[in-house]
Amino acid sequence: IVLTQSPGTLSLSPGDKATLSCRANQSVRSNYLAWYQRKPGQPPRLLIYDASTRATGIPGRFSGSGSGTDFTLTISRLEPEDFAVYFCHQYGSSSHVTFGQGTKLEIK
Amino acid sequence: EVQLVESGGGLVQPGGSLRLSCAASGFTFGTYEMNWVRQAPGKGLEWVSSISSSGFTIYYADSVKGRFTISRDNARNSLYLQMNSLRAEDTAVYYCARQKPFDYWGQGTLVTVSS
Repeated sequence: IVLTQSPGTLSLSPGDKATLSCRANQSVRSNYLAWYQRKPGQPPRLLIYDASTRATGIPGRFSGSGSGTDFTLTISRLEPEDFAVYFCHQYGSSSHVTFGQGTKLEIK
Repeated sequence: EVQLVESGGGLVQPGGSLRLSCAASGFTFGTYEMNWVRQAPGKGLEWVSSISSSGFTIYYADSVKGRFTISRDNARNSLYLQMNSLRAEDTAVYYCARQKPFDYWGQGTLVTVSS
C-alpha cells in the first residue's frame, strides 16, 4: 500500500488549526493507520493509532479521523512545540508495512 | 520506563556483514513483537523486518529478504539484525521499535555501506 501525504509543507501560526491528509492507494485493513510526530535528532513519537485512538500521553488537541483510503490528522490549536514533521503509517498487513513521505509543519 | 538502545552500526564495505543489537528494558520484552525500521539519508522511513514475541513468526521487506536475518533472545531482552551482502542502498539509520504500531523507538544506529 502506497501512502501519499499532503500537503508536503504546511505553514501556519501558533493557535491555528492544522489539517494533514494521508491517502492510501488501496483500503487499509481495519483502518490500521497511525500518525507520528518527528523532531530533528529524535525518534518518531506515536500520536494516533487505529486511525483515531490517541496514544498514551498525547494531548487532546491531536485527533485522527478517516477510514478506508482517506485519513486525516487534525491539530486543533497549534502550540510552538507542535511544529515538526508528521507522517502516517499503515500496519494492516504484517508483511507489508508502509509509511507516508511526511508533511512538514512549519511556523508561518 | 521503556528503553530501546541500538548498537552495532558502523562503516562496512559493499558485500560485507554487520550485526545490529537492540537492548530493551522497562517492559516485559518476551511478550511483544519487535521490529527494525530504517531511514536512508534524505529518504523516508522503511520497515525492514518484524519478529513475533516467541520468535516463530518473522517477516521481511522485499528489499532485504534473503540477506538480513532478524532474531531475538528473550532471556537477554535483546533483538538482533544480522545483515549480510550489504549494499550501498542499505546505508541508513536503523531503529528498533516495539510492536505495531511502533509505540517505542530507539535512538537508532548508523550503518554506512561504502568502499
